[in-house]
Amino acid sequence: GAVVSQHPSWVICKSGTSVKIECRSLDFQATTMFWYRQFPKQSLMLMATSNEGSKATYEQGVEKDKFLINHASLTLSTLTVTSAHPEDSSFYICSAPTQWGETQYFGPGTRLLVL
Amino acid sequence: EDQVTQSPEALRLQEGESSSLNCSYTVSGLRGLFWYRQDPGKGPEFLFTLYSAGEEKEKERLKATLTKKESFLHITAPKPEDSATYLCAVQNNYGQNFVFGPGTRLSVLP
Repeated sequence: GAVVSQHPSWVICKSGTSVKIECRSLDFQATTMFWYRQFPKQSLMLMATSNEGSKATYEQGVEKDKFLINHASLTLSTLTVTSAHPEDSSFYICSAPTQWGETQYFGPGTRLLVL
Repeated sequence: EDQVTQSPEALRLQEGESSSLNCSYTVSGLRGLFWYRQDPGKGPEFLFTLYSAGEEKEKERLKATLTKKESFLHITAPKPEDSATYLCAVQNNYGQNFVFGPGTRLSVLP
């Protein structure tokens, strides 16, 4: 199956700093990518839809100024958590749909811990 | 609003004890229903896509079926390595995003 990578796989930062997470589709182009957040023992919560060449679409309740998304190319989307606080600690996962939408392939996830 | 529920929330099986996981959904025009497996600390791994009622797909010990209201993931003679959380998601005809269910945590004991 198609491969989606994320970097870093885990990050620890101090409160108030910003953290950037990269999501890459390695063997296919993705005009759209999705960013999810997952709390322990809970399912995936869609945060935003990243669109190549245009603004991201955020789900209700997600602060767009806090979670900055940039879809710079057909293979790369980035999520920047700005001025991170402990409550932002979570598991962040990106995904990319196949061209015809047969499925989404997920990255391995990034665990963020804000101290 | 599209919704997905899954049952049971958690399931413990002995190795070799077959069972089924349920995914019930309501969606405004089903484009696809998806099953994923997620291991702790990892991203979901794609298993199946089902498009229409009556469709079935198989992969090793797993078989997914679909009706107009629900999908089942049948696990035949499970092994400990099948232990994971199994997630179900639906996609409607109007967008690309998926709506995920809460998942079923499966534990297969040796």
